[in-house]
Amino acid sequence: EAGVAQSPRYKIIEKRQSVAFWCNPISGHATLYWYQQILGQGPKLLIQFQNNGVVDDSQLPKDRFSAERLKGVDSTLKIQPAKLEDSAVYLCASSRVAREQFFGPGTRLTVL
Amino acid sequence: KQEVTQIPAALSVPEGENLVLNCSFTDSAIYNLQWFRQDPGKGLTSLLLIQSSQREQTSGRLNASLDKSSGRSTLYIAASQPGDSATYLCARATSGTYKYIFGTGTRLKVLA
Repeated sequence: EAGVAQSPRYKIIEKRQSVAFWCNPISGHATLYWYQQILGQGPKLLIQFQNNGVVDDSQLPKDRFSAERLKGVDSTLKIQPAKLEDSAVYLCASSRVAREQFFGPGTRLTVL
Repeated sequence: KQEVTQIPAALSVPEGENLVLNCSFTDSAIYNLQWFRQDPGKGLTSLLLIQSSQREQTSGRLNASLDKSSGRSTLYIAASQPGDSATYLCARATSGTYKYIFGTGTRLKVLA
């Protein structure tokens, strides 16, 4: 079974630029999560989808972050415009409803 | 505020030692608790998932327990090896939304 795929693996941008991350979950997993992990901290949930509906986005900075899940499968997370404090690893995870989470390799974002 | 705390933040042990990592949480409405390991620069690897109706789960040299009444989970690693060196994270899911909140992790180093 293929794991969670993410791209790109690394991204370096200037502040105020835009960036997008892509995630392809494990086949059959209805729940998809995007997390932000700052160095030395645990992952922080940004948004949780079940199929193509949003379950929780209470910690998503909606003035600059947006996310969508296309047809309940792939998902894209966008930052526009980026700030220095957005430098972090962005992790995508998927699971069957209320079951074990599986994570992708993450995207390391550096904002200069 | 729902929080997850992991103590100690860092641990260094000689090879072969048995060790216990601690995870405590403030919210008793827990659906399940999941333990992960994270190697430097990598995504999270799932180790064990404990449902709220369970008391413990075992996989190889790993044993995780859950005590909802005291708000604690422990991860026991038997006969530690240098390959066990990593950051260990626990995350608990809330009943209903299955939203996960992560601890800040315990950074483990096993010395050969």
